[in-house]
Amino acid sequence: AQSVTQPDIHITVSEGASLELRCNYSYGATPYLFWYVQSPGQGLQLLLKYFSGDTLVQGIKGFEAEFKRSQSSFNLRKPSVHWSDAAEYFCAVVHTGGFKTIFGAGTRLFVKA
Amino acid sequence: KAGVTQTPRYLIKTRGQQVTLSCSPISGHRSVSWYQQTPGQGLQFLFEYFSETQRNKGNFPGRFSGRQFSNSRSEMNVSTLELGDSALYLCASSVSGRDTGELFFGEGSRLTVL
Repeated sequence: AQSVTQPDIHITVSEGASLELRCNYSYGATPYLFWYVQSPGQGLQLLLKYFSGDTLVQGIKGFEAEFKRSQSSFNLRKPSVHWSDAAEYFCAVVHTGGFKTIFGAGTRLFVKA
Repeated sequence: KAGVTQTPRYLIKTRGQQVTLSCSPISGHRSVSWYQQTPGQGLQFLFEYFSETQRNKGNFPGRFSGRQFSNSRSEMNVSTLELGDSALYLCASSVSGRDTGELFFGEGSRLTVL
């Protein structure tokens, strides 16, 4: 069965520092992968997506993610974190043929001044 | 264009009651999905509708049901509420719900069961 693992429940980084959020997936073929962000009291917003092609994808708000098939990973990165990036981040994979998206448990990001 | 609209945003019910939540997708989107979000379980898939047909359903008891109307608006219903049903219920729409479809989420309906 398809699954998504985000091994870090929460991460704290200093403002201006770099960020990497980890995501591993279990899937038999090339997956369709997404990162979403959820601010407190809000719904989820798409940051970026990977379908095929270039394995480094750019998203909104300065985020990028790299698809590594050999490691079954799709880690999210940002070179310099801003206080407004504090939120919960979800990695997700589309369940092909099943018309549903499967989400990881989420990683809550805290940003300290 | 307007985003996904969910109503009500907040509601409080007591055990044994039932609740109906509404979702209006983005204009032109025909697929609507529902998710339950809790601190312990994260985002759990409830069901997905496309053109008034349920195409997939998650592992929830029969107390959870949904439907979609011809204008793509969707409702979900939870009957005989239990304390554990307290959660944020998120609706998401997409153009067609195909494999490559990104989801556009509403802000959710926060249900508290007392």
